[in-house]
Amino acid sequence: SYVLTQPPSVSVAPGQTARITCGGNNIGSKSVHWYQQKPGQAPVLVVYDDSDRPSGIPERFSGSNSGNTATLTISRVEAGDEADYYCQVWDSSSDHRDVVFGGGTKLTVL
Amino acid sequence: QVQLVQSGAEVKKPGSSVKVSCKASGGTFSSYAISWVRQAPGQGLEWMGGIIPIFGTANYAQKFQGRVTITADESTSTAYMELSSLRSEDTAVYYCARGEVVCTGGVCYANDFDYWGQGTLVTVSS
Repeated sequence: SYVLTQPPSVSVAPGQTARITCGGNNIGSKSVHWYQQKPGQAPVLVVYDDSDRPSGIPERFSGSNSGNTATLTISRVEAGDEADYYCQVWDSSSDHRDVVFGGGTKLTVL
Repeated sequence: QVQLVQSGAEVKKPGSSVKVSCKASGGTFSSYAISWVRQAPGQGLEWMGGIIPIFGTANYAQKFQGRVTITADESTSTAYMELSSLRSEDTAVYYCARGEVVCTGGVCYANDFDYWGQGTLVTVSS
């Protein structure tokens, strides 16, 4: 089955740029979506189809996807961005078609 | 405004079954996919399966095949997830999520999940 690999944690100072990676075999050929989850809350979609933002999501959130790595970039990080972030794809590379989530990355704002 | 409202918390005995509901409002229920995603305490997100109500057929993650049943009632805009043979490792928050349907190469699936339910805590304990 398809595996998405994320770093367990990323730390960044306020005002700096955070980059969270999501690795997968030829992930550049898939559409990648990113979710933000704060403690005790349901996930929120922050980037879809590699680099599009849903309405209401700040422009500070952006995404890219190429080769074997997709990246969520958060510019001018704020304290309120501290959360867990998950990448997600739809995988149809095997006989079984699945939604796959990465293991999640905890973003800490120092 | 789209809302997904789930049923309340459940406490179940090992070996029993649980059925969680997810009622949608504010959108066109049948033409979107509804997936179920669970999250064990302190763990990440895990997709269990989903259904596209307009097609009526469900797709399940291999891990849950034979133990989970996902259905949808278009008349009430409600999706259901039933998990059987519960064990302690099934203790988790269960979410429903709405996904845009994408069809390619004759296969339709849920793309991204733009709306989520509030979550339902299922505790399995003897």
